[in-house]
Amino acid sequence: QVQLQESGPGLVKPSETLSLTCTVSGGSISSYFWSWIRQPPGKGLEWIGYIYYSDITNFNPSLKSRVSIAEDTSKNQFYLNLSSVTAADTAVYYCARGRVPVGPDYYYYIDVWGKGTTVTVSS
Amino acid sequence: SSELTQDPAVSVALGQTVSITCQGDSLRNYYASWYQQKPGQAPVLVIFGKHNRPSGIPDRYSGSSSGTTASLTITGAQAEDEADYYCNSRDSSGNHYVFGSGTKVTVL
Repeated sequence: QVQLQESGPGLVKPSETLSLTCTVSGGSISSYFWSWIRQPPGKGLEWIGYIYYSDITNFNPSLKSRVSIAEDTSKNQFYLNLSSVTAADTAVYYCARGRVPVGPDYYYYIDVWGKGTTVTVSS
Repeated sequence: SSELTQDPAVSVALGQTVSITCQGDSLRNYYASWYQQKPGQAPVLVIFGKHNRPSGIPDRYSGSSSGTTASLTITGAQAEDEADYYCNSRDSSGNHYVFGSGTKVTVL
């Protein structure tokens, strides 16, 4: 059974870069859409983006200029970097496994989620 | 604001049926997936594709779609169904993904 675990600093200063790691256990990191989602306190979910096959990425247009996602198949890990953070980036950050089934209908869904990690942006 | 619109809150009597809707132009061409989130927990996938349920999700959960509206229906709601529910699908450009604004379901 695949499990995901987020790790990284819980506190980041304004204007700095938020960096998180997601470790995948119980399965291979290959062939899935490894995704990041966040949830500000008391608010809804926000899709950040995903990486597929190590070099295909797709990002939320509102974050695209500040976000990058990478993966390391040798470590079964993938990563989120979000630069120039402000208080508005304070949220619970989830890593997740996205899938697109084989077939005539192309659709994406998220079937495995990490437990989430809280990141606060404050000086 | 989200490109997928959901009612903020709905309530349902125990054992009755409730439908949660998700509206957006992209839904005319793309399926939505649905997620249940309880307080302090990560979301859980409940419906994906045309009307698929992951293993372990009760069959009282079902999905449907018509035009620009996707719906999640809980038939015979139980106390444990009280949660926030989010839809997810493509944005209006069709190139990225977005979550709906979320619906809080209260079971009375």
